[in-house]
Amino acid sequence: QVTLKESGPGILQPSQTLSLTCSFSGFSLSTYGMCVGWIRQSSGKGLEWLANIWWNDDKYYNPSLKNRLTISKDTSNNQAFLKITNMDTADTATYYCARRALGANYFDYWGQGVMVTVSS
Amino acid sequence: DTVLTQSPALAVSPGERVSISCRASEGVNSYMHWYQQKPGQQPKLLIYKASNLASGVPARFSGSGSGTDFTLTIDPVEADDTATYFCQQSWNDPTFGAGTKLELK
Repeated sequence: QVTLKESGPGILQPSQTLSLTCSFSGFSLSTYGMCVGWIRQSSGKGLEWLANIWWNDDKYYNPSLKNRLTISKDTSNNQAFLKITNMDTADTATYYCARRALGANYFDYWGQGVMVTVSS
Repeated sequence: DTVLTQSPALAVSPGERVSISCRASEGVNSYMHWYQQKPGQQPKLLIYKASNLASGVPARFSGSGSGTDFTLTIDPVEADDTATYFCQQSWNDPTFGAGTKLELK
C-alpha cells in the first residue's frame, strides 16, 4: 500500500525559505525507476508541477521556478524534501508530494497535501 | 509551456453520460492523464495515457483522444462523481488544466 504525507511550517513570512518533507511508504526511492514529485495548488494558478527526483538522484525542475527550488531525498528514511527560497504571498498554496508512475510523467499516488500560507 | 484548456463547469443529471474536454495548445501525443479531486482531498488518478483506466477506478470512466483534443467520459454519472476533473499532459514538462467542476442536477 503506497502512502505519502507532507509536512511543513504552515505559515511563514515573505522572503523566508520554505522547507517541506514528504514521508512515504509502500515503495522505495532506491528502486530502479522510482520518482517522487512535488506539485502545488493555489486558487490563483491552479495545479503547478514543481520538481521531480529520481531513484538515481536525477532532479528536474519547473523552469519558471528553477532558481528557487531544491529537491532532495533521504532514501534510508523514505523521505523527499523540497526547499523554496524567497517565498512570496503568491506562493501561498497547498503543496503535494506524489509518486510518479513508471513509464510516464503522471502521478499515481498523492499525499493529502499541506497548506502553506505566506503572510507578513 | 503547454497550455491545457478545459470548460469551467458542467451540470448533469444522475444516470446521464457526460463528456469533459481538454484541449492542448500543442500536440502531446497520447500523454494526457485525468484526475478527480473532491473538496478537501488530493487529486486521484483516473485515466493515464489518454485511455487507460487507473487501478480501482470504475469502468464508468473512460478516456479518449490524441494529439491536442482529449475527452474524459463518465457513463453513467453517479452522485458520488461530483468533483473537479483535471487533465495533465506529460509530453513536455507537466502542466495541468484549470479543471472542470462537475455538478449534479
